[in-house]
This record gives sequence, C-alpha cells and structure tokens, in this order.
Amino acid sequence: AQSVSQHNHHVILSEAASLELGCNYSYGGTVNLFWYVQYPGQHLQLLLKYFSGDPLVKGIKGFEAEFIKSKFSFNLRKPSVQWSDTAEYFCAVRGSSNTGKLIFGQGTTLQVKP
Amino acid sequence: DTGVSQDPRHKITKRGQNVTFRCDPISEHNRLYWYRQTLGQGPEFLTYFQNEAQLEKSRLLSDRFSAERPKGSFSTLEIQRTEQGDSAMYLCASRSDRANQPQHFGDGTRLSIL
Repeated sequence: AQSVSQHNHHVILSEAASLELGCNYSYGGTVNLFWYVQYPGQHLQLLLKYFSGDPLVKGIKGFEAEFIKSKFSFNLRKPSVQWSDTAEYFCAVRGSSNTGKLIFGQGTTLQVKP
Repeated sequence: DTGVSQDPRHKITKRGQNVTFRCDPISEHNRLYWYRQTLGQGPEFLTYFQNEAQLEKSRLLSDRFSAERPKGSFSTLEIQRTEQGDSAMYLCASRSDRANQPQHFGDGTRLSIL
C-alpha cells in the first residue's frame, strides 16, 4: 500500500533560518507529489506540485521541493523563513489509483519565532 | 473560482444522532473527494465521485457512512448513529478532469460528538 512519511512532527525556527522538511513515500510507479500548507484557521492550500520534468519544483512564497526518485523523497525547502510561514505542512502522493485520491503524510507543524 | 464550500463549519451532536454535511465543489469540477482528518494526522481518503458516480470508497467508510452526489454538483456525507470516534474534521476537495491538476480543498466541517 502507498504511504507517506514526514520525519519532523514539530519544527521551531527563528526568522531568517533555513527550512527543510523531509518527506518520503513508498510507491515504485509513477507518482505525482504535492506539498500543501494549512495556515491557522484556513483550508489546505497547494504550495507546489511535481508531475514530471525538472525534479526541482518551485512553488509559492519562495518554497521549493526536490524530487529524488532513487530516495523516494520530496523534501520541502525555503532558504529564509518568515513568521508568516507558521503553519502545518503536508506532503501528499497521488499514485496508482485512477481516482486521483491523495495519500497524505501526518504533517509537520512549523513554528517560526519572530 | 469561488472555492470549495462546506457547510456547516462546525457540528456538535450527541452520540447516536445522525449528521449530514454538504460540499459545494468549484463549478465545472467533476471530480469530488471526501477526506477525514483527526488531530495530529494528515487527511485520510474516504470516498471519490466522478460526476454523480461514486467510484471508490475507503475501508474507513463503515456502513454508517453514506455519501451522495445526486446531480454531479454538490455532495452530501451522512453519518448515522454517530460514535465518539467519528469526531474529526471532514474535508471536501474537488478538481477538474484536465491533466496535472491539483485538488482544491474546502474549509472542512468539524464534527464534535458529545
């Protein structure tokens, strides 16, 4: 069965620090990969997505992620975080099912201290 | 794009009662998904509709759960004889049929069972 694992459950950073959130998935076929963000009190919003092509994907608000097929990873990065990045971050994979359902990781809560 | 709309935002009910939630997807999105999210976890897939056809149901969806999308537009999720373990956030998402499109999520309905 497909699964997604996010290594960090709770991350605390100071403003301007660099961010990397780990995401590993288990599925050997063609995958589509996503990072969603949920700001306090808001709905899940798409940060970035990977379908094919350049494995380095750039998203909104200065976020990027790198797809490394050999490592089954899709880590999220941002060179310099801001207080407004405080949120919960979810990695998700869409794989074998024709329905396009998403399999989510358990999420990482990011707290950025001003 | 008015976004995915869910109603109500919050439902409090006594154990054993029936509850129904509504989801209005983005217009012209023929794919609709229901997910459930519990505290500290990522969303888990419940069921999927393509137009009015329910094409996939998760094993999480017990016999007490039923979902409909009668005209291929809005959808309802009903839980009969609610149990304590049904307390969760119920999320609806929609997407278009075009290739490489992400799912768009609503704000969710938070169900609290007393």
